[in-house]
Formats: sequence, structure tokens, C-alpha cells
Amino acid sequence: SAVISQKPSRDICQRGTSLTIQCQVDSQVTMMFWYRQQPGQSLTLIATANQGSEATYESGFVIDKFPISRPNLTFSTLTVSNMSPEDSSIYLCSARGGQETQYFGPGTRLLVL
Amino acid sequence: TQLLEQSPQFLSIQEGENLTVYCNSSSVFSSLQWYRQEPGEGPVLLVTVVTGGEVKKLKRLTFQFGDARKDSSLHITAAQPGDTGLYLCAANAGGTSYGKLTFGQGTILTVHP
Repeated sequence: SAVISQKPSRDICQRGTSLTIQCQVDSQVTMMFWYRQQPGQSLTLIATANQGSEATYESGFVIDKFPISRPNLTFSTLTVSNMSPEDSSIYLCSARGGQETQYFGPGTRLLVL
Repeated sequence: TQLLEQSPQFLSIQEGENLTVYCNSSSVFSSLQWYRQEPGEGPVLLVTVVTGGEVKKLKRLTFQFGDARKDSSLHITAAQPGDTGLYLCAANAGGTSYGKLTFGQGTILTVHP
């Protein structure tokens, strides 16, 4: 299994600002992903973080709003840009392990005022 | 877009009762995973099922993957208050969507002492 950590664990931000979330995996992984989750609800995939190339975004998510970096096989960042209250959510990083498994970080709880 | 229908959305039962959560789709999946998530934490992987008709047991939890790999169920025997949490099914479509997980809506389970 993979152990995933995220920083910060939570933050309160002002609208119009940006926040960068870091995700660290304790082993090299081929695939990393970023999800968004409203409290008490399910997860929605934002994008696949590709090592050495641009991230692949899902419908409804764009690079200008959610720029993603993945400089190596163990680390990725997600930036939430020009935030509005609608961006208040839990942001989760995940990594694909072997045998079709996927592991999640503890999440970053974001509140935008 | 492949959809996963998870039911029920809410489940409130007494300690010692049995329960079943269902996850259904019209699409075939290469694998399906069940997660449990507690407040303030990320989803924790319970099981991955890959083979049609597969049954896996994890203590009081029994997971089944449908023969056609379109549906799955999670059965909990003699539920305990510690089972309380959000249960999520997630499917991997494979092919060009390899690695990407589609999540069901989630089932919020509350087990009362």
C-alpha cells in the first residue's frame, strides 16, 4: 500500500486569492489524481497529474483554475486559483497502487470567505 | 459518462442488525472498489474486486462483484457502532479511462448502540 500525506490539512482563505495544496507519496507511483469532495458527499475527479507533462482535466475543470504540477513520481501540487466561496470543499490526492487499487490522502479542507 | 448508482443514500440501524449496500451501473467495469470514510479523513480502501462473480470477506463485511461486472454489493453482518461512516463504491472503467475512478453517491451509515 501507499501512504499519502497532504499539506495543508485545512485552510481558510479570502476570495480572489490562490492556495497550493501539496501531496507526497511514500513510494514511486505511476498515476496520481486530484479529487474534490463536498462534505458528506461523494468524490469528483478533477484531473490526472501526469509526470513530466501537462495534467489531464475532466469535464468542467480547467488548467487556469486548477493548475497542477507533478515534478516526479512521488509528489504533486494542486493550486486553486482566484478562489470564490463555491470552491469551498475537500480536496483529495490519490495514487494508484498495484492490482487496480487506489489510495487516498487525508484531504485538505478549504473554506473560502 | 459512466454512472454508478449507489443505494441507499442513508441507512440508520441498531447495533446487531444486518445491512446491504448496492452499487449498480449499466456499464462493465474492469474492477470495483469499496471505501469507508470517516469525518475529517480520506477514504480508506476496504476491498478491490476484479473477477465477475467474485466474493470477498473482510471479517463481518462481505463484498460481491456481479457476474457481468456491472454491479456490486457490500453486506455487513451484526453491525457495530464502529461501522458508522460514509461507504463509497468506485469503479475503474479501464481502457482509455484506465486508473480513473467513478464514484457512487455514497451511503451514510449510522449504527446506534
